[in-house]
Amino acid sequence: DQQVKQNSPSLSVQEGRISILNCDYTNSMFDYFLWYKKYPAEGPTFLISISSIKDKNEDGRFTVFLNKSAKHLSLHIVPSQPGDSAVYFCAASVMDNYGQNFVFGPGTRLSVLP
Amino acid sequence: DVKVTQSSRYLVKRTGEKVFLECVQDMDHENMFWYRQDPGLGLRLIYFSYDVKMKEKGDIPEGYSVSREKKERFSLILESASTNQTSMYLCATTDISNYGYTFGSGTRLTVV
Repeated sequence: DQQVKQNSPSLSVQEGRISILNCDYTNSMFDYFLWYKKYPAEGPTFLISISSIKDKNEDGRFTVFLNKSAKHLSLHIVPSQPGDSAVYFCAASVMDNYGQNFVFGPGTRLSVLP
Repeated sequence: DVKVTQSSRYLVKRTGEKVFLECVQDMDHENMFWYRQDPGLGLRLIYFSYDVKMKEKGDIPEGYSVSREKKERFSLILESASTNQTSMYLCATTDISNYGYTFGSGTRLTVV
């Protein structure tokens, strides 16, 4: 059973508009969440994160919202640019005796159309 | 659902040992990837494979090699383990379209 779900495998948005990527998780023990961005033939790069004690974190055009009661987080990109076209991974983590354990979602492919 | 199984969840090895990390997927996916996850450094791609017996270097291949003799199995090999290879190792797979990545549960390797 997937602990981190990204139910939209793909999303297309017009340039200049808002892109909203969604992520749902099942484990209430997750306390740290990240978004990664991946271009073809490259490794994922870290984009933005949020701790469970917050409900919002902003970094330029990127904002992540966390709704703990709904076990849901979302990434907003505004305004969207063609260079934002990539696969976006949501990841959630929990600390155990050995350190931080990460669980990744399957990714959402965002296409920003000029 | 595609299942990606990594053979060990936690592993402790000594410096200089040869270490094998195994990843097996139960669907007919062409693409397989090995990443390592380190605090503050995010996910870094070590090696990937688009087909049997095919391998490509990722961002940080030094000290590692891989083997893909069968489509469902992608092995990561640490030729001579060193302490700086202590990390969480993640295997992932996608089909030929590169949609829908599925990650394994990870192997936390400690080299002492």
